[in-house]
Amino acid sequence: DIVMTQSPLSLPVTLGQSASISCRSSQSLVYSDGDTHLNWFHQRPGQSPRRLIYMVSKRDSGVPDRFSGSGSGTEFTLKITRVEAEDVGVYYCMQSTHWPNSFGQGTRLEIK
Amino acid sequence: QVQLQQWGAGLLKPSETLSLTCAVYGGSLGTDYWSWIRQPPGKGLEWIGEINHTGSTSYNPSLTGRVTMSVDTSKSHFSLRLTYVTAADTAIYYCAKGGPLGAGAYWGQGNLVSVSS
Repeated sequence: DIVMTQSPLSLPVTLGQSASISCRSSQSLVYSDGDTHLNWFHQRPGQSPRRLIYMVSKRDSGVPDRFSGSGSGTEFTLKITRVEAEDVGVYYCMQSTHWPNSFGQGTRLEIK
Repeated sequence: QVQLQQWGAGLLKPSETLSLTCAVYGGSLGTDYWSWIRQPPGKGLEWIGEINHTGSTSYNPSLTGRVTMSVDTSKSHFSLRLTYVTAADTAIYYCAKGGPLGAGAYWGQGNLVSVSS
């Protein structure tokens, strides 16, 4: 199975500042068709996860452009600019290139 | 706007069978894959398996032998059965869209399933 490793696991951020989360996969996430299926999710307490980013850098509908994804191969990054109070919660990277799909451990973002 | 609504028993005894169903509203099952994911309380997420409209399935090897998924295209429903549950199966179970590209695009509201004697 593909192991997804996130860092940091805890991320205190000041409102209005930027935050960055790294995600590393144990194998390349390039699919047979050349696409890379690396996704980012946000989960607030008591809620279902919400997908923010798919295919490394494509934002889902309704996701603010403060959220951006980048990376390739085995190294990926989620960046949040101008952090707002509603951004608190746990962020997960997830690969859907290799079966079974697998998630990172999660990064808890909190406001300082 | 696609919405997923799920239901099923929330309290089981060890060795019983977990059974959950998810309905897809605002769209059909189409040719997409549909998945089940679980999250033990306070922990991370685990992909259980997925199924498409033909009934073709892929299961997480960690659960193979205990998990079965089925689909009812006439009702736009898909279901999960997990046999011989133990306390380790206690989790919030989510249905979600699957497939490489659609993975996690839509989620159900989640069902807490507790296993206790």
